[in-house]
Amino acid sequence: GQQLNQSPQSMFIQEGEDVSMNCTSSSIFNTWLWYKQDPGEGPVLLIALYKAGELTSNGRLTAQFGITRKDSFLNISASIPSDVGIYFCAGSTSGTYKYIFGTGTRLKVLA
Amino acid sequence: DARVTQTPRHKVTEMGQEVTMRCQPILGHNTVFWYRQTMMQGLELLAYFRNRAPLDDSGMPKDRFSAEMPDATLATLKIQPSEPRDSAVYFCASGPLYTQYFGPGTRLTVL
Repeated sequence: GQQLNQSPQSMFIQEGEDVSMNCTSSSIFNTWLWYKQDPGEGPVLLIALYKAGELTSNGRLTAQFGITRKDSFLNISASIPSDVGIYFCAGSTSGTYKYIFGTGTRLKVLA
Repeated sequence: DARVTQTPRHKVTEMGQEVTMRCQPILGHNTVFWYRQTMMQGLELLAYFRNRAPLDDSGMPKDRFSAEMPDATLATLKIQPSEPRDSAVYFCASGPLYTQYFGPGTRLTVL
C-alpha cells in the first residue's frame, strides 16, 4: 500500500542530544499524527496536528505541520534512554478518516 | 485511563484454520480501524468503520477476511481459511473524528 517517506530510517544519538525527523508525502494532508511504538506494543499517539503551519508540543516533543501540507516534522529535545523506539507519522486527506502511515524512524539512544 | 483492548494477544494456528480477533474500542469512539503490521509492509489499513457501518475494507483480501461490528463495544476480524502469509501483528484502533488510539495488538502466527 501507499506509504509516506520518513527520514531518517534510523538514528543513533547520545543521551541529551536533540533529535529531528521528518515525513514527506506527494499528497496534501489535512491532518498529521505522530506515534511512538515500543517493541511488542501498539503505537502510542504523541501529537496530532490539524492546521498548516501548526506547531504543537508535548513535553520534550514538538511537531510541526508543514506549510505546504505535504510534510511534517518531529523534534525531541534532550533525549533520554526511554525515547528509544520507532516513531511513525500518519497523514489523512480531506473528507476521509483513513490514515497513511510512514515507514518509521527507529531511534536508538546511547547512554 | 481508557484503552483499546484486543484479544487474544497471541495466536498460533495451523494453515486452513479459522481465526477470530476481537477488539473493544474506547467507549464513545465511533470510528474503528483494523491494521496489519509486518516488517516488509509496515502498517497497512485493512478496514474501518464509522458508527458501526463499514466505510472501507479495500485493504482486506475479500475472499478470506471479514470485519464486523456487532455492537458499539465489539469489533471482530475473521480470517477463514488462514494462510502462513497472514502471519503478522493485527492492531485495532479507535478514535473520535481525526485521531486514532491503538490497542496492544494480536500477534498471529499461521504454521
